[in-house]
Amino acid sequence: DAGITQSPRHKVTETGTPVTLRCHQTENHRYMYWYRQDPGHGLRLIHYSYGVKDTDKGEVSDGYSVSRSKTEDFLLTLESATSSQTSVYFCAISPTGGPNHFGPGTRLTVL
Amino acid sequence: KNEVEQSPQNLTAQEGEFITINCSYSVGISALHWLQQHPGGGIVSLFMLSSGKKKHGRLIATINIQEKHSSLHITASHPRDSAVYICAVGDGNEKLTFGTGTRLTIIP
Repeated sequence: DAGITQSPRHKVTETGTPVTLRCHQTENHRYMYWYRQDPGHGLRLIHYSYGVKDTDKGEVSDGYSVSRSKTEDFLLTLESATSSQTSVYFCAISPTGGPNHFGPGTRLTVL
Repeated sequence: KNEVEQSPQNLTAQEGEFITINCSYSVGISALHWLQQHPGGGIVSLFMLSSGKKKHGRLIATINIQEKHSSLHITASHPRDSAVYICAVGDGNEKLTFGTGTRLTIIP
């Protein structure tokens, strides 16, 4: 399996608090992605990165920011969490574009 | 924005049956992906294809670009194939549009 981990795996937080999710890879892949998965919706892209300090928005980027200061780490930050951001978050990586290895997911609950 | 529809939404079959899951999309693409999501939530990429057919073990994926349609077939289905199968399309590989998935249950 590709070396990709997410932390934390579960988090419960309160509305208005900042939250940072971490995706860590050991594959040295160029592309990294953050998705959210909600009932009744397919996976939806939040942000992605195509290199260190190179990021772009996905279709549901409002309320989220990302940073990639090292090849191996891609951070997703919710500056002020809202209940609508309760979801399961998946990180994915790829050497050439198009997610082909997914992390185990982070279940985030915003109360 | 591409619209992706998968059918059926749910499928239950007996072990050994031949399984077909369909994916249709509305706008021309350069690549289509098939993913498998296990009951525990983990997601595995099965195929990426832009034309023709690909085969891996008991899994076969086909795509018809003109008809904007792809199928995923499973031969000699087994209970361990029980999962949600997800289709995703894009005109580049970065910003894919995902279907909502087909939940497959194989009964021993």
